[in-house]
Amino acid sequence: DVKVTQSSRYLVKRTGEKVFLECVQDMDHENMFWYRQDPGLGLRLIYFSYDVKMKEKGDIPEGYSVSREKKERFSLILESASTNQTSMYLCASSSRTGGTSYTFGSGTRLTVV
Amino acid sequence: QKEVEQDPGPLSVPEGAIVSLNCTYSNSAFQYFMWYRQYSRKGPELLMYTYSSGNKEDGRFTAQVDKSSKYISLFIRDSQPSDSATYLCAMSLTSGGSYIPTFGRGTSLIVHP
Repeated sequence: DVKVTQSSRYLVKRTGEKVFLECVQDMDHENMFWYRQDPGLGLRLIYFSYDVKMKEKGDIPEGYSVSREKKERFSLILESASTNQTSMYLCASSSRTGGTSYTFGSGTRLTVV
Repeated sequence: QKEVEQDPGPLSVPEGAIVSLNCTYSNSAFQYFMWYRQYSRKGPELLMYTYSSGNKEDGRFTAQVDKSSKYISLFIRDSQPSDSATYLCAMSLTSGGSYIPTFGRGTSLIVHP
């Protein structure tokens, strides 16, 4: 069964901390994505990557950065966590061949206090 | 106007009812249409995938696309309490390459026994 795995289900961090969210996929997908999901706002794209060491800004990149050193791993970094970054974070991956390949992880619920 | 509009609900129905979930969109170039189901505190999972207009059936689920009206629907027959979830529609211009779906905000469905 193909999978996108996010390292933590729940995280609680303090304001100002540097936070790392990890995502690993085992489907050999080229494309990887980070979203945040908030009630009433739906899914919002933060960053995405089409290849190793490549990254593109999504709709809301401010306060975030990403790293993709290996094809299967895409990390989201909160440089200095703030309370307005409390949210559900979802990683997704897809293949360049498309079709039904767009797959999400189970999500990380991050609370910044 | 958002590119994809979806009523957030919640939609509450009794067990056994026929459920109709809908999305409207503004970009007539969309060709691929998807429905995702998201249980509480989990990531979205792909439920149905259709190309262009027409109907597609999978068990109790039917996806319908009306491109002339820019309107898509998901019907659930004989709804069960286990169908209680948020349903997100998504659509894209292409399937493959560097495509990124455009998501609706999701409709919360509650099926009560």
